[in-house]
Amino acid sequence: GAVVSQHPSRVICKSGTSVKIECRSLDFQATTMFWYRQFPKQSLMLMATSNEGSKATYEQGVEKDKFLINHASLTLSTLTVTSAHPEDSSFYICSAREWLAGREIIAKNIQYFGAGTRLSVL
Amino acid sequence: DQQVKQNSPSLSVQEGRISILNCDYTNSMFDYFLWYKKYPAEGPTFLISISSIKDKNEDGRFTVFLNKSAKHLSLHIVPSQPGDSAVYFCAASRFRAGGGADGLTFGKGTHLIIQP
Repeated sequence: GAVVSQHPSRVICKSGTSVKIECRSLDFQATTMFWYRQFPKQSLMLMATSNEGSKATYEQGVEKDKFLINHASLTLSTLTVTSAHPEDSSFYICSAREWLAGREIIAKNIQYFGAGTRLSVL
Repeated sequence: DQQVKQNSPSLSVQEGRISILNCDYTNSMFDYFLWYKKYPAEGPTFLISISSIKDKNEDGRFTVFLNKSAKHLSLHIVPSQPGDSAVYFCAASRFRAGGGADGLTFGKGTHLIIQP
């Protein structure tokens, strides 16, 4: 099956520092990747859609200057939390949608998820 | 405003019996629905999906039913096995006419516990 690798799995950092999280599709190409965030006892909430070779699309209420997304290749998207503060502490998880044989499997919209990154800002 | 709701935080089922997990949605624009399974410290794993043009999709022990008029879907697992113990998330998406699709909208999940 499709495998998505996310790194690091856990980050503890000081307030004011920036943290980069990587999301890689290991055995397939993904023109579109998604970034989600999950607070305790809440559901996964979409933060942004990462499109290869173009700007990311952010959901309402998500600061694009705070959460920088780069999707430089068909297998890698990165999320950088800039000047992190304690309120940014959360579980961040990425997903990728498979692009198969020249056409993205759009209609089915099956997304494959990484294991997530637990960010703790002190 | 939660557009996808899983009203049962947990469900306990005896091994060998049927597990039924329920999900309701409010956005009539959703046209694709998925179920994911999640173990602790892992990302959600895709289980089964259904398009809004169907009312049933079956894959082995897993069957998803969709009732569009009621905006309700359910996941049936039969027979339930100990390895099925996990958190199950219901998710929905909307296809965009210009190509591509939205990110997924998730429910809060139901913790399924299979008792021996």
